[in-house]
Amino acid sequence: ETGVTQTPRHLVMGMTNKKSLKCEQHLGHNAMYWYKQSAKKPLELMFVYNFKEQTENNSVPSRFSPECPNSSHLFLHLHTLQPEDSALYLCASSQETYQETQYFGPGTRLLVL
Amino acid sequence: AQKVTQAQTEISVVEKEDVTLDCVYETRDTTYYLFWYKQPPSGELVFLIRRNSFDEQNEISGRYSWNFQKSTSSFNFTITASQVVDSAVYFCALSELGGATNKLIFGTGTLLAVQP
Repeated sequence: ETGVTQTPRHLVMGMTNKKSLKCEQHLGHNAMYWYKQSAKKPLELMFVYNFKEQTENNSVPSRFSPECPNSSHLFLHLHTLQPEDSALYLCASSQETYQETQYFGPGTRLLVL
Repeated sequence: AQKVTQAQTEISVVEKEDVTLDCVYETRDTTYYLFWYKQPPSGELVFLIRRNSFDEQNEISGRYSWNFQKSTSSFNFTITASQVVDSAVYFCALSELGGATNKLIFGTGTLLAVQP
């Protein structure tokens, strides 16, 4: 089974919609991450969770709301997004947070109209 | 501040050519890790290698090899006898010691196009 899965793979939403991205890891890891990848920009770390606790919020606007109910699942709730939020959102996991290799999912390609 | 530079934005080669992707990093940490990831058109970042700062031995894995030189702060990646399936964006990354969080600082990536 694929290590890190993400659903949906593609999402189109209007600025007034509310949607959620889901990530699930099957690797027995304890840390999970959300990244944003925009065209022609480096990957941007958004949030880090370790043992279900948020340990990093990289100054992300409140219209992005993460949720980590357990070490295997991570959600990103989206509301009132802007067109500039259109990007590839990648989830990753690692055994622990300290210098461990991160394994990535396939991403959700989001388009905000 | 930690930084990763991949100066080659795009590289195009013909199948079976060797190609080297450059990565230069900056860090004040004495202990750090360097990574290479591959991102095919499907979008998923595929982990290729992790190297710690105390291990300067070059590594070879099939057609892939990595040259880590601390003296020049470089961690270059060579694909020998490239194939069309190697076409992807390749990212070099540096692990930053930011408290308890494993922050990966990514370069901007190099798009490799291997023509048949």
